[in-house]
Amino acid sequence: AQSVTQPDIHITVSEGASLELRCNYSYGATPYLFWYVQSPGQGLQLLLKYFSGDTLVQGIKGFEAEFKRSQSSFNLRKPSVHWSDAAEYFCAVGSLTGGGNKLTFGTGTQLKVEL
Amino acid sequence: DTGVSQDPRHKITKRGQNVTFRCDPISEHNRLYWYRQTLGQGPEFLTYFQNEAQLEKSRLLSDRFSAERPKGSFSTLEIQRTEQGDSAMYLCASSLGSGPLGETQYFGPGTRLLVL
Repeated sequence: AQSVTQPDIHITVSEGASLELRCNYSYGATPYLFWYVQSPGQGLQLLLKYFSGDTLVQGIKGFEAEFKRSQSSFNLRKPSVHWSDAAEYFCAVGSLTGGGNKLTFGTGTQLKVEL
Repeated sequence: DTGVSQDPRHKITKRGQNVTFRCDPISEHNRLYWYRQTLGQGPEFLTYFQNEAQLEKSRLLSDRFSAERPKGSFSTLEIQRTEQGDSAMYLCASSLGSGPLGETQYFGPGTRLLVL
């Protein structure tokens, strides 16, 4: 069965510092991978996704992620964090179900940004 | 594109009562998913519709839960005889999918349920 591990429950960074959020997945086939962000009172917003092709994926708000098959990882990065990036971040893997694609999420990483 | 909407946004109920949530997907999206998110956890898949057909249900979806998507448009999720363990955020997502390839799911703001 597919699974996603986000080893860091909480991360604190200073505004302007770089950020890397870790994500490891387990899936038997070629994975469809996603990063979503959730702010308080808001729904999940898609940051970026990987289906195939270039292993370095660019997303919204200056985020990028790199797919590394050998390490089963899909880490999220941002070169300079803004205070508005404080939120909870979820990594997810998509798997086929009844013709659709259900998402299996990690437990999330809560990002705090110090001014 | 008005996004996925869910109603109500918050619901407080007493144990044993029935509750119903509604999800309106993005127009023309043929796929609709329900997820449940408890505190400190990521969302967990509950069920999936392709148009009006419910094609997959998680084992998390006990007999007290039922979901419908009449005419392939909005969807409802009903919980009968609510229990305190049902307290969670219920998220709806929709997507435009054709075939087994991965597609992007767009999430609504969720309905937060508290069972007293």
